[in-house]
Amino acid sequence: SYELTQPPSVSVSPGQTARITCSGDALPKEYAYWFQQKSGRAPVLVMYKDTERPSGIPERFSGSSSGTTVTLTISGVQAEDEADYYCQSADSSASYWVFGGGTKLTVL
Amino acid sequence: VHLVESGGGVVQPGRSLRLSCAASGFTFSDCGMHWVRQAPGKGLEWVAIISYDGSNRNYADSMKGRFAISRDNSKNTLYLQLNSLRAEDTAVYYCATRPQHNTTHWGQGTLVTVSS
Repeated sequence: SYELTQPPSVSVSPGQTARITCSGDALPKEYAYWFQQKSGRAPVLVMYKDTERPSGIPERFSGSSSGTTVTLTISGVQAEDEADYYCQSADSSASYWVFGGGTKLTVL
Repeated sequence: VHLVESGGGVVQPGRSLRLSCAASGFTFSDCGMHWVRQAPGKGLEWVAIISYDGSNRNYADSMKGRFAISRDNSKNTLYLQLNSLRAEDTAVYYCATRPQHNTTHWGQGTLVTVSS
């Protein structure tokens, strides 16, 4: 298996743009997924296949990929976006998942 | 889609526990299933996967040999057998599935506390 690396924390003021990165050697070959987790609740998928947004997720959430790094961008951050965010990927045969360590987004 | 975990509780170190995940609202027998855990105040940690028909299983390195994933498609139920439990296995255990790229379903989790 391999590792995914995220910054432990990101802080932004309401209305600003938050960028959360996830780095891993396999990311050029494998898709990344992003989950939002609010305290005490199950994770919610907010981005899939690097750049695709599931239905029901606000348009202010977007994803990008460059080399070994994928980025979740939240434009016009709102107080309700305060949560932990995890990137996740898998091997090509989907025989395992790997998660990044998580990033705590604080809305100041 | 509904995933409901059960079977968690307080267990002494070295003992065993079996978790269950009851699935409904989708074709369970078509889907690979995962267990993911989260220790208190920590991040998500993948535990194991089982293929749609149970023929293939894989585990995180740290859990190989102690945990066993299984399923009963006739009961739409996923299981995780936890053996030789340690304090560091204390966590909320979630079952999850990704039937398509744009969807990942999670249960609400069941808490396992390993303590004497």
